[in-house]
Amino acid sequence: QKEVEQNSGPLSVPEGAIASLNCTYSDRGSQSFFWYRQYSGKSPELIMSIYSNGDKEDGRFTAQLNKASQYVSLLIRDSQPSDSATYLCAVGRSFGAGTRLFVKA
Amino acid sequence: DAGVTQSPTHLIKTRGQQVTLRCSPKSGHDTVSWYQQALGQGPQFIFQYYEEEERQRGNFPDRFSGHQFPNYSSELNVNALLLGDSALYLCASSSTGGGFEKLFFGSGTQLSVL
Repeated sequence: QKEVEQNSGPLSVPEGAIASLNCTYSDRGSQSFFWYRQYSGKSPELIMSIYSNGDKEDGRFTAQLNKASQYVSLLIRDSQPSDSATYLCAVGRSFGAGTRLFVKA
Repeated sequence: DAGVTQSPTHLIKTRGQQVTLRCSPKSGHDTVSWYQQALGQGPQFIFQYYEEEERQRGNFPDRFSGHQFPNYSSELNVNALLLGDSALYLCASSSTGGGFEKLFFGSGTQLSVL
């Protein structure tokens, strides 16, 4: 079992829609959870961090954490073509393989 | 304020050779982590340096070694290169005294082993 698992996608959503990205992890003792965005040919960029159960909102982004279910998600509201990228879930030092998101204009 | 800088940008080596990659962390950061990212995969943790010592290590062989200098910059060395070492090598810095909070990544070194 991988430490951090994500659906590789691609996930395709129309412009203006909500994109929902999901991630599960194996280590129940994990304390820190992150979402990074990686454009093609670029390095990862941190967009959200979350440490406690519940929701955390930052602009169009909402991160959700459920430690009992070992589940982290990222919601992107009003998706824009510029959001098209690979989204990496990180739990502590471990990264998932990423989910590719395409936002169609 | 300079971000994380890595050099070189690209590197081509042959099997069996040795390579050294360099990283300067973001100003104010004291911790450097190195990751290997193969095409289409997520970054895989190699090791982390804090206070000039290797603090944590991922599942990489001893051919992978590193160093951190007093100015917090770091090097990644890979000996006896294999074809499978071809990947993007990412350096990430943080100001967490050895943790993995809010990593700032450099633009990476693309290593090709022929």
